[in-house]
Amino acid sequence: EVQLVESGGGLVQPGGSLRLSCAASGFTFSSYSMSWVRQAPGKGLEWVSYISSDSTSTSYADFVKGRFTISRDNAKNSLYLQLNSLRVEDTAVYYCARTVAGHDWGQGTLVTVSS
Amino acid sequence: DIQMTQSPSSLSASVGGRVTITCRASQGIDNYLAWFQQKPGKAPKSLIYAASSLQSGVPSKFSGSGSGTDFTLTISTLQPEDFATYYCQQYKTFPYTFGQGTKLEIK
Repeated sequence: EVQLVESGGGLVQPGGSLRLSCAASGFTFSSYSMSWVRQAPGKGLEWVSYISSDSTSTSYADFVKGRFTISRDNAKNSLYLQLNSLRVEDTAVYYCARTVAGHDWGQGTLVTVSS
Repeated sequence: DIQMTQSPSSLSASVGGRVTITCRASQGIDNYLAWFQQKPGKAPKSLIYAASSLQSGVPSKFSGSGSGTDFTLTISTLQPEDFATYYCQQYKTFPYTFGQGTKLEIK
């Protein structure tokens, strides 16, 4: 059974940083591209970032370019999202998803940016 | 960026009924389209990928069609557990983009 478990969310002040993690199991992690998607409270889904299976290709939504960095460690079956220069509008539940078509999703981790 | 527009934004239907949700892309995306179901407080669940391929374990009451710019998700024989919010997403071109969602409510 595919499992994706996010962690690392929490309350942070504007301008602060967080590192989100996504632990994967139940599939050959190194064979799949991964994505991060977020959802602000009461709002729709918003694609954030993508990384290829071998980390050679990454992409970001314009609103996070230069502030967020996606990475992965295939030896540890883990996906990461480094969030820097956080803004109030980055407050959201952050989900990791397997493949570009979102075949499987984690339960999400809540990031709250507030002073 | 490719804009994805879903219609309607919300709709009411009866248990046992059938509904169709439409998703339109601002430019052609071939069949690089996925559909998701989301219930309150839960993660999205994959229903359809490649416009019409049913995700493993998803009942055949869900079906997708379309190519290019116009796509539909049809749900037949509605059951109480089907009332949720549905999203489309294109994954043809970065940045990948979602529709705004369609909330399906019980009539």
